[in-house]
Amino acid sequence: DTAVSQTPKYLVTQMGNDKSIKCEQNLGHDTMYWYKQDSKKFLKIMFSYNNKELIINETVPNRFSPKSPDKAHLNLHINSLELGDSAVYFCASSRGQGNTEAFFGQGTRLTVV
Amino acid sequence: AQSVTQLGSHVSVSEGALVLLRCNYSSSVPPYLFWYVQYPNQGLQLLLKYTSAATLVKGINGFEAEFKKSETSFHLTKPSAHMSDAAEYFCAVSGEDFNKFYFGSGTKLNVKP
Repeated sequence: DTAVSQTPKYLVTQMGNDKSIKCEQNLGHDTMYWYKQDSKKFLKIMFSYNNKELIINETVPNRFSPKSPDKAHLNLHINSLELGDSAVYFCASSRGQGNTEAFFGQGTRLTVV
Repeated sequence: AQSVTQLGSHVSVSEGALVLLRCNYSSSVPPYLFWYVQYPNQGLQLLLKYTSAATLVKGINGFEAEFKKSETSFHLTKPSAHMSDAAEYFCAVSGEDFNKFYFGSGTKLNVKP
């Protein structure tokens, strides 16, 4: 069973469109994250949720809106997509205790054309 | 805030040679440190972690890392490289904020036959 699963794996869309990426974890973790990996492989945190509450919002444009319907899900909706949004987006989860690792999904490669 | 610096964006070794990937951290609190590996088109997989127990940490696939507080370092080593070790490696730190991991910029390991 996949611990952290995100869909879709690949997403190609035109500028101006709205798209969503879904993430689910079956590890029973309280904390979930969205990270963005750019073309140079740099990983930057976007959001962190703990028990469905937004904990961290790292100056991400408000075109990005995360939604956590329950502890096991954290979806990412992106409005008015721009070329610069092209990246790989990773969902992750952890027990949120600092000394425990984060478990990552396989990533969603978003290409905006 | 915490941060991680990985020296060397690309490291190339011959098969059977020692692998040394460097990671230095900055933290105002005792850090928790992690090494992750990312294979092409995959998510991040935990190799090993330091959580204030033994300073020499052994991980999967024959990798180990040593926490040196005096040098603020957590370098990753493997005595003998294998072709299958070719991947991108990320060092990460947490501890100041239990809901956030800070990643280094990654080191791409190339293994030559």
